[in-house]
Amino acid sequence: DIVMTQSPESLAVSLGERATINCKSSQSVFYSANNKNYLAWYQQKPGQPPKLLIYWASIRASGVPDRFSGSGSGTDFTLTISGLQAEDVAVYYCQHYYTTPPGTFGPGTKVAIK
Amino acid sequence: EVQLLESGGGLVQPGGSLRLSCAASGFPFNGFVLNWVRQAPGKGLEWISVISGSGSDKYYADSVKGRFIISRDNPRNMLYLQMNSLTVDDTAVYYCAKVGIPGATRAWLDSWGQGTLVTVSS
Repeated sequence: DIVMTQSPESLAVSLGERATINCKSSQSVFYSANNKNYLAWYQQKPGQPPKLLIYWASIRASGVPDRFSGSGSGTDFTLTISGLQAEDVAVYYCQHYYTTPPGTFGPGTKVAIK
Repeated sequence: EVQLLESGGGLVQPGGSLRLSCAASGFPFNGFVLNWVRQAPGKGLEWISVISGSGSDKYYADSVKGRFIISRDNPRNMLYLQMNSLTVDDTAVYYCAKVGIPGATRAWLDSWGQGTLVTVSS
């Protein structure tokens, strides 16, 4: 099974500054046949269900502000929030969908305001 | 607009059973793979089960295999999770979630319900 890890466990960032979250998979989630990384990012605010932010490692979901960006390939991925807003306080999860059945989530990274 | 609405959660004793339901609307129901994901209090997300659009293919996490059964009723646009032999470790909010690509199992989860809380306690 592919294991997902995230770092840091939590971070505090000043409003307007950049937040960077890392996600690592225990094996590559890149599928060479279609040149895609099977990796998604989700945001979960307190008391709410998760919300899809990014899929195919770097494609923003509909309605997601462009301050959110995803990058990386293979086993190492990054979610960047450029210019943190107060409404971005949340826990962020990565998940791979490389296998059938779909994959595990990372443990989450909690983002707070400094 | 896609809507997923879970129901059926509640308090159940260890060893008991519960059936969760998820009512779906706003998309061609039988064309999409559906998942159950749970979240224990204060913990992260745990994928637990998936079912194909036709209902013929089903997969389970090891933590629930042999105890939980996923099913769907396509004419009624309903997803179900029959949970048997419940333990305190099954206490969680249970979410149903739809994949983002028609017919695909290997896809992101683009729509989630609000969740239903299951508490297993004596």
